[in-house]
Amino acid sequence: DGGITQSPKYLFRKEGQNVTLSCEQNLNHDAMYWYRQDPGQGLRLIYYSQIVNDFQKGDIAEGYSVSREKKESFPLTVTSAQKNPTAFYLCASTPNPGQGKFSTEAFFGQGTRLTVV
Amino acid sequence: GNSVTQMEGPVTLSEEAFLTINCTYTATGYPSLFWYVQYPGEGLQLLLKATKADDKGSNKGFEATYRKETTSFHLEKGSVQVSDSAVYFCALSGTGGYNKLIFGAGTRLAVHP
Repeated sequence: DGGITQSPKYLFRKEGQNVTLSCEQNLNHDAMYWYRQDPGQGLRLIYYSQIVNDFQKGDIAEGYSVSREKKESFPLTVTSAQKNPTAFYLCASTPNPGQGKFSTEAFFGQGTRLTVV
Repeated sequence: GNSVTQMEGPVTLSEEAFLTINCTYTATGYPSLFWYVQYPGEGLQLLLKATKADDKGSNKGFEATYRKETTSFHLEKGSVQVSDSAVYFCALSGTGGYNKLIFGAGTRLAVHP
């Protein structure tokens, strides 16, 4: 079955440590996204990538980094510079219809809950 | 810039009650509008969508109509079930060439027997 797989489901990070969240999709989608979800704040965009080897900062990119070396994969690294990383992280993907209005649904992974200990 | 505003929750209803969750948006151009649902501990799933003015999206008994004159996309269901308990997100697509989804804050719905 096609879909998006995030791993791990739960992740614990010590102070000053970098951690990497995995996101893999087999939907052949061009565009991939990382969102952060905090209680009562909805989803905020961290980074997005419309094509392999290219990515752009979203609204809250500070303290995070990404790579897009393969179409299927879009890992997110939470660095020690991110001062408040405890949150639920969601990865999503969409086809990229190019210029014009986007009307295709986004597919989401099951999320990774990151906790600082 | 583009934004989405949803009514604050939580919304608590008895089974078979009528549901309305308000959503209004601000956007340039003609965005597509979406409702997503999130069940506990899971990612988001598309519930319904509308891509142009006056379109009505519907799925699983839920409906929402794209109202450009009032910039609204309110979610309704005539008779809710306990299994509808979840968080509901209104979203719009970015206009122009970039497929950016902008989400509202989410509304938690709790349905009691």
